[in-house]
Amino acid sequence: GNSVTQMEGPVTLSEEAFLTINCTYTATGYPSLFWYVQYPGEGLQLLLKATKADDKGSNKGFEATYRKETTSFHLEKGSVQVSDSAVYFCALRILYNQGGKLIFGQGTELSVKP
Amino acid sequence: DTEVTQTPKHLVMGMTNKKSLKCEQHMGHRAMYWYKQKAKKPPELMFVYSYEKLSINESVPSRFSPECPNSSLLNLHLHALQPEDSALYLCASSQDWRDLRNTEAFFGQGTRLTVV
Repeated sequence: GNSVTQMEGPVTLSEEAFLTINCTYTATGYPSLFWYVQYPGEGLQLLLKATKADDKGSNKGFEATYRKETTSFHLEKGSVQVSDSAVYFCALRILYNQGGKLIFGQGTELSVKP
Repeated sequence: DTEVTQTPKHLVMGMTNKKSLKCEQHMGHRAMYWYKQKAKKPPELMFVYSYEKLSINESVPSRFSPECPNSSLLNLHLHALQPEDSALYLCASSQDWRDLRNTEAFFGQGTRLTVV
């Protein structure tokens, strides 16, 4: 079946630390992969995406590379800020019943301390 | 403009009430979605509309009734809900599902629903 597995949180870092949030997936075919971020009390915001193997998505200092050989899409940022504190969801998109369906990981809560 | 607008932002309703959630997008997207999100959990898909036709219903109870009046609007009609239906309801939209490059979904801010 199709699934996404993320590292469990919460993750607590100091400001300017390096961030990695691991994400691996299981899917038939070649799904598109995404990272979404959810700030407290808000909806989901698309952070970055990759649609094929070896694509690198990047946005606001965050990066993730679509690795088909390891079925991974790990999120990284070189220097986190307090404002990055949020929940991060890795997701894949599959074609399903004449529609697209997002399958989410469980989410990783990130807390950045000053 | 990548905005999906949901109203209301907060809703408290009794178990015998009827209410509706509304969602609007002006990005020309032809797929629209309703998701339900409980606290500290990922969103769960409820319904998908593609070209204004219901294409996916994830076995959602009939007390939730979706409607897509046109390509920009999506409603979720609520009737006789239970307290366990309290959650954040998220609307999203994306390009034609057949577009393999523009596959991302854009989410609204959600409606926080409390059933009392």
